[in-house]
Amino acid sequence: DSGVTQTPKHLITATGQRVTLRCSPRSGDLSVYWYQQSLDQGLQFLIQYYNGEERAKGNILERFSAQQFPDLHSELNLSSLELGDSALYFCASSGTGVTEAFFGQGTRLTVV
Amino acid sequence: GIQVEQSPPDLILQEGANSTLRCNFSDSVNNLQWFHQNPWGQLINLFYIPSGTKQNGRLSATTVATERYSLLYISSSQTTDSGVYFCAVSRAAGNKLTFGGGTRVLVKP
Repeated sequence: DSGVTQTPKHLITATGQRVTLRCSPRSGDLSVYWYQQSLDQGLQFLIQYYNGEERAKGNILERFSAQQFPDLHSELNLSSLELGDSALYFCASSGTGVTEAFFGQGTRLTVV
Repeated sequence: GIQVEQSPPDLILQEGANSTLRCNFSDSVNNLQWFHQNPWGQLINLFYIPSGTKQNGRLSATTVATERYSLLYISSSQTTDSGVYFCAVSRAAGNKLTFGGGTRVLVKP
């Protein structure tokens, strides 16, 4: 158990819909990262939050947004979903001054 | 950005065999991690190894930071070692990880 919790594990939704993925980092970790794993793109960094503030942005679509709350949990919002958004979405966390990242079990999103 | 290349892309092993997976990266790094993605999709931390050598049971890893590569050794492979092995690096503390394309390992009984 990595200590990073993601919910839900699986999500099936229709095109055009909006979903929210949730992540609780390891206790004490201030950094939260979101990654997308699709068959054709591999593991891609989406966005990072540190103690509530956006810290870095990667290949995140405008239809996607994220936030980190005062209790340090994070949510990734995906809207106007397309078939190509079907993927495994991972959350990871790391501590201050420690660079090792730990990953949650992922949310498998299927858009039909 | 930094480039990470893993080789070989695929590996088929007979149970009990040894193997070496390689990760090359294009710039100096502060963090290098090896992960095992199991058939259920979970990413399991194997090693945090920005430099030096570490061992954990049948697995060991070596990173030669000055030459920008890392090696993961699997000895006496078991069917449970099957899955995809990823190398990931970051250039500074607290930075995002950049992943290689992975090595898909199949261990046959």
